[in-house]
Formats: sequence, C-alpha cells, structure tokens
Amino acid sequence: ETGVTQSPTHLIKTRGQQVTLRCSSQSGHNTVSWYQQALGQGPQFIFQYYREEENGRGNFPPRFSGLQFPNYSSELNVNALELDDSALYLCASSSTGTSEAFFGQGTRLTVV
Amino acid sequence: AQSVTQLDSQVPVFEEAPVELRCNYSSSVSVYLFWYVQYPNQGLQLLLKYLSGSTLVKGINGFEAEFNKSQTSFHLRKPSVHISDTAEYFCAVSDRGGSARQLTFGSGTQLTVLP
Repeated sequence: ETGVTQSPTHLIKTRGQQVTLRCSSQSGHNTVSWYQQALGQGPQFIFQYYREEENGRGNFPPRFSGLQFPNYSSELNVNALELDDSALYLCASSSTGTSEAFFGQGTRLTVV
Repeated sequence: AQSVTQLDSQVPVFEEAPVELRCNYSSSVSVYLFWYVQYPNQGLQLLLKYLSGSTLVKGINGFEAEFNKSQTSFHLRKPSVHISDTAEYFCAVSDRGGSARQLTFGSGTQLTVLP
C-alpha cells in the first residue's frame, strides 16, 4: 500500500507566475484535501475534492483552484502568485466512511 | 464554524519528564478530535483520535489524550518524554456530520525535549 506522495518537494516561483502542485492519494482513497501551512502556523484548509468535484472550500480566493482525476490523484493550481503564497502545501487523502486523513510530505513553495 | 486554541506555543521539558500539551476547541456541532505530529520538513502524522466512547484515548509513541466535553478540551499527555519527541504538535477538529475530514487546526505547540 503506497502512501500519499506530493511533487515537487520544493520550488521557487516569481510573483505573478502560476504554479501547479501534484498529489497522488493513498491506494483506496477517493477524497483529497489541500492545506496551506505558512511558516510558524497550523495548516489552513484550502479545498477538498471527491469524485472529481470540489466538495468544500476554505477561505481562499478563486486564484486557488484544483482538479481531481479518475485515479483520485489531484492538482492544486495557484495563479498570479503573491509573496504571501509562500508556504508548505500539504495534500491529504481519505476515504468516505473513515475518520482519518493521511498526509503527504508537502511541497515547499517560495515566491520571490 | 470551529476553532482550535493551543494554549502554549512552546513547551520545553527535560528528558524522561512528563508533559502535557493543551488544546481547547469551539464548535456548534459535535466534532471528532485529533492530534498530529510534524517533524522538521515533513508532513503530518496522526498520533491519536477521539471519535466516540471512552474519553481517554491512547495513540502511538506512548501518547494519550483525554476528551473533556464540559471544558471542550483535548489535552495531550506523555508520562516520560524522549529526545526523539521533539517536534511540532497540532490539535485538530472535524465536523462529524461534514464530508470526510475537513480539518481545522490549532496554531501548534513546539515541544522541545532537553537532555
């Protein structure tokens, strides 16, 4: 059974650019959630995808968008990057009917 | 809406001493409660969870937590800590009735175990 994997592990982008982060969910999991963790803070819920549809969204602007694919993997896209978007982005997968979310190692995004 | 307050941002403790990390939550609905640990430059690992039943729950690495509904608290404890327990600890809640596992996290407590 493979765990949650995220790619890339690190990347640096310039303000105004666009970025795509990727997540492969744990085997058997059909739900993927994305979180933003700024330095020194707890993770903040961005949105969740279930069966390829957005299924809940936190307090993030529309320039944060996502996709979920038929194999349950997911992408997080951020347009018009701002300096404050610099953070660790965490992906978590889970399955309906269960209580636990499993987290990946995260992608460290630095916006300069 | 839910919120989580972790009362201590940093907790230094000597090796083999007991430790308690405090967590209070606020919610208008019934919740599930979780504690996660994060080692440097890594993701989150689940330590333990409270879903229902006994209010004392045991987790991995010798940690336990007690759910207190009247005080809306879920404090994490370990009777004897090791150097390897040095990490950031996060308390989190999710809505029982909501879709799977939209977690609301506290701001974290940095546990530093001193030799």
